[in-house]
Amino acid sequence: GENVEQHPSTLSVQEGDSAVIKCTYSDSASNYFPWYKQELGKGPQLIIDIRSNVGEKKDQRIAVTLNKTAKHFSLHITETQPEDSAVYFCAASGTNAGKSTFGDGTTLTVKP
Amino acid sequence: NAGVTQTPKFQVLKTGQSMTLQCAQDMNHNSMYWYRQDPGMGLRLIYYSASEGTTDKGEVPNGYNVSRLNKREFSLRLESAAPSQTSVYFCASSEASKGGEQFFGPGTRLTVL
Repeated sequence: GENVEQHPSTLSVQEGDSAVIKCTYSDSASNYFPWYKQELGKGPQLIIDIRSNVGEKKDQRIAVTLNKTAKHFSLHITETQPEDSAVYFCAASGTNAGKSTFGDGTTLTVKP
Repeated sequence: NAGVTQTPKFQVLKTGQSMTLQCAQDMNHNSMYWYRQDPGMGLRLIYYSASEGTTDKGEVPNGYNVSRLNKREFSLRLESAAPSQTSVYFCASSEASKGGEQFFGPGTRLTVL
């Protein structure tokens, strides 16, 4: 089955700095790569996603890059703000009922 | 739209007791999922249902059963709870034809003593 590894497990940055979270996946058939943000006491919520036919996608301060050959994808957050503090999960899925395999999560702390 | 709702929000059980976690979605999604979340271990899939009338095991199905009651509802049952099942449980739904994004409920925090 699919295996997704996520690094780092914790990340602390100063407000205004950039944050980068990286994931690798094992199954070359995976074609959908979402990123979820989980705030304390809540369920995860999609913040950005990318499909295997695209190399990069941007939405305001958030961007995701995908390298299919190397089987890795990354989340980039620029100009971080305290409200970006949360746990971030990457995931990979193919066509099997939309099933996703999640990374173990990254706890991002943005210090004011 | 309420999205994905879960009940209860919190539950404390004694070892050996049984209970059912309820989940419902109002987005007309075909696929529904149950995950457990433990510290440092991310989200692990317990069971999923690709469509009404079908269910399949995920990564960690032992000790659990599920029922896809209709298109809206997907319940998770613990027949004989064990302390190892202490966790936060999330239900999610998705529609593959609309992209694959999963919509999560608010979670159920379960403690087994």
